[in-house]
Amino acid sequence: GQQVMQIPQYQHVQEGEDFTTYCNSSTTLSNIQWYKQRPGGHPVFLIQLVKSGEVKKQKRLTFQFGEAKKNSSLHITATQTTDVGTYFCADPSQGGSEKLVFGKGTKLTVNP
Amino acid sequence: NAGVTQTPKFQVLKTGQSMTLQCAQDMNHNSMYWYRQDPGMGLRLIYYSASEGTTDKGEVPNGYNVSRLNKREFSLRLESAAPSQTSVYFCASSDRRVLAFFGQGTRLTVV
Repeated sequence: GQQVMQIPQYQHVQEGEDFTTYCNSSTTLSNIQWYKQRPGGHPVFLIQLVKSGEVKKQKRLTFQFGEAKKNSSLHITATQTTDVGTYFCADPSQGGSEKLVFGKGTKLTVNP
Repeated sequence: NAGVTQTPKFQVLKTGQSMTLQCAQDMNHNSMYWYRQDPGMGLRLIYYSASEGTTDKGEVPNGYNVSRLNKREFSLRLESAAPSQTSVYFCASSDRRVLAFFGQGTRLTVV
């Protein structure tokens, strides 16, 4: 079964509020990827984290990889309506294989 | 434009009919994947292929078969479609666990 758990499943915010989604694994991850899927679209790669404790920023998005490499988070500061969509974390090397397994995603809606 | 091309974009099948979803990538990637996406279930891996000539089961392989025809192409076949296979199907490709590129998706309805 799926080993990458993502919470929350849904999040509704007012425009300007912050948003965070969390990804947790029962096993140590070699790295983790984040994707965004706009409504009606396909997933698009955002970033990959590799190092323990790594923090990367893309404008208003901040990505973190836990020290134990078992969890990760995506934080959006001051959400905008363009942030609407579903955010997925993915384990690109589950069990050492070439499997690319996704969490169930967090669906973000933003009220203008 | 470089990327992943999936056909068809939409399809309606009757229960018991068969069909093949086609996927091709022109990025010389080794790995290719087929996912299905259902509301509240995220992206579930059906089959993947780590290299030309190899295929492996993912999380939900029952009712599907795949063929890695060559490095570019990875097809998904439904031999006898069932209403439970109504879903949006995505093909993706990647190389050495770097980011994956997705096709536009196929919206399949089985009636």
